[in-house]
Amino acid sequence: AQSVTQPDIHITVSEGASLELRCNYSYGATPYLFWYVQSPGQGLQLLLKYFSGDTLVQGIKGFEAEFKRSQSSFNLRKPSVHWSDAAEYFCAVREAAGNKLTFGGGTRVLVKP
Amino acid sequence: DGGITQSPKYLFRKEGQNVTLSCEQNLNHDAMYWYRQDPGQGLRLIYYSQIVNDFQKGDIAEGYSVSREKKESFPLTVTSAQKNPTAFYLCATKPTPFGNEQFFGPGTRLTVL
Repeated sequence: AQSVTQPDIHITVSEGASLELRCNYSYGATPYLFWYVQSPGQGLQLLLKYFSGDTLVQGIKGFEAEFKRSQSSFNLRKPSVHWSDAAEYFCAVREAAGNKLTFGGGTRVLVKP
Repeated sequence: DGGITQSPKYLFRKEGQNVTLSCEQNLNHDAMYWYRQDPGQGLRLIYYSQIVNDFQKGDIAEGYSVSREKKESFPLTVTSAQKNPTAFYLCATKPTPFGNEQFFGPGTRLTVL
């Protein structure tokens, strides 16, 4: 069965600093990969997705992610965080031929002034 | 105004009572999903429906029931058999069952006293 691991439960970063969130997945074939963001008490919003092609994908709000097959990773990055980026971030994987998402446990990002 | 509506935002029930959470969408999407979110565990799939009058169990269906009598509506009933029902519940939709992006509602926080 596929699984997703987000090793960092909490990350604190200063405003203006760079941010990297880790995501590792376990799946035999090439998966479809997603990053979602959730503000407190809200639903999830899609930041970006990877299906195939260029392994560096750009998303909304200045985020990007890189797919590394050799490391089974799909890490999310942002060069300079804003206070509004404080939220919880979820990595998710789906089988290419499937219709269900499997989510990681999430990483909560705190932004210091 | 298109979107996914979950009501109410906060719900309180006494232990032993069944409770039904509402999910309505006017996006004309075929597929609908129910997730449960607990701190540190990400989202776990309860039930999903790809077409009207059809639904399948997800990973944690025990103690829950659903119906899909209309395309727009996918209510979730949390029964007294669910041992730990206090959680944040999220509804999601997809345009087609094998489409690439899920869209999430704002969620309902259920507290069982």
